[in-house]
Amino acid sequence: QSVLTQPPSASGTPGQRVTISCSGSSSNIGSNYVYWYQQLPGTAPKLLISRNNQRPSGVPDRFSGSKSGTSASLAISGLRSEDEADYYCAAWDDSLSGRVFGGGTKLTVL
Amino acid sequence: EVQLVESGGGLVQPGGSLRLSCAASGFTFSSYWMSWVRQAPGKGLEWVGNIKQDGSEKYYVDSVKGRFTISRDNAKNSLYLQMNSLRAEDTAVYYCVSPDGWGQGTMVTVSS
Repeated sequence: QSVLTQPPSASGTPGQRVTISCSGSSSNIGSNYVYWYQQLPGTAPKLLISRNNQRPSGVPDRFSGSKSGTSASLAISGLRSEDEADYYCAAWDDSLSGRVFGGGTKLTVL
Repeated sequence: EVQLVESGGGLVQPGGSLRLSCAASGFTFSSYWMSWVRQAPGKGLEWVGNIKQDGSEKYYVDSVKGRFTISRDNAKNSLYLQMNSLRAEDTAVYYCVSPDGWGQGTMVTVSS
């Protein structure tokens, strides 16, 4: 069982907006930055959002991150077929003195 | 562009050892914390541990404490993971991770 909780699956149709939630606690999301990673099938993960809401260069502005209290969300607008992937949230946990990941959300574009 | 290239994976028997290496380029390696993250077949991501810029601080997930050791050589822009007393549950793809990038991963299989 992962320290950060994500829904195992999400789906949407092309052009739709979907959000993926990530729930934690005061020792991780509540006091540290949240990061989001995208893992396309058969490839290594890629940084999508850093420090709660910062997009690295090259990441489309269709992707956005937000954080409130002990929860965070990843929003994808204008959904495309190439967005079909696994998405993971992560944060440092002060109590564990380690980085923790969510269990991952498999996004399906219908 | 950040480039991270892992090597050293393979098949090892339970109780055996393996040393993974990661060659970094495209950024100032000595300025950043570096991490190892693993992914068991068909499973999610698990952080293994990380190391401070000068190697003075290291943190590990509980399941590898006392068995795995992370080190770095800033002169060679390289990160290492020494894995001892390997178990079947250590079977995974191991990724070298910088703040902005991930390597392609190297597969470690622990089996008799």
